[in-house]
Amino acid sequence: DVKVTQSSRYLVKRTGEKVFLECVQDMDHENMFWYRQDPGLGLRLIYFSYDVKMKEKGDIPEGYSVSREKKERFSLILESASTNQTSMYLCASPPSGRSFSYEQYFGPGTRLTVT
Amino acid sequence: GEDVEQSLFLSVREGDSSVINCTYTDSSSTYLYWYKQEPGAGLQLLTYIFSNMDMKQDQRLTVLLNKKDKHLSLRIADTQTGDSAIYFCAEKGSSNTGKLIFGQGTTLQVKP
Repeated sequence: DVKVTQSSRYLVKRTGEKVFLECVQDMDHENMFWYRQDPGLGLRLIYFSYDVKMKEKGDIPEGYSVSREKKERFSLILESASTNQTSMYLCASPPSGRSFSYEQYFGPGTRLTVT
Repeated sequence: GEDVEQSLFLSVREGDSSVINCTYTDSSSTYLYWYKQEPGAGLQLLTYIFSNMDMKQDQRLTVLLNKKDKHLSLRIADTQTGDSAIYFCAEKGSSNTGKLIFGQGTTLQVKP
């Protein structure tokens, strides 16, 4: 059974803290994505990675960075957390390339509150 | 640029049909998806449709695609209280990275 796991379901951090959100997939996929979800705005892409040590900015990368040292793990880093980064963070690991299939795998999400 | 739009809220009575609508702008979209998110959970793929199809039916779910108007709809027959959730429309753009463009999500409320 394929899986995308995220390190925490709920996190509460203080303004200015450095925050790490981790995502692990067991499907040997090249691509991994970080989205944030806010009511009325849907999912917005923060960063994605199409290979180890490779990263691309998404639509809202400001205030975030990422790390992909191993194929199965993709970390989202908030260098100095701010209250406007309070949100639900979702990791996804979709297949890609010519053997594309319709299934897109999402983790359960991490609800981050910055106080 | 690519954009996907949905209405934010729909309320129906148990047993009625629900229709959730979505419009998109990218005419090169190859796949269009409906995802369901239950409270406190991640996204679960409900169904998808290829851009060369007009309709797809899967048990209580019917997806209709109007490519000319760039309009996608999801019909849920005999809606149950367990169908209460947020429903996201998404399109896969022209790139092969697997990046999806999501709508804002429609909250479906099913009243007993």
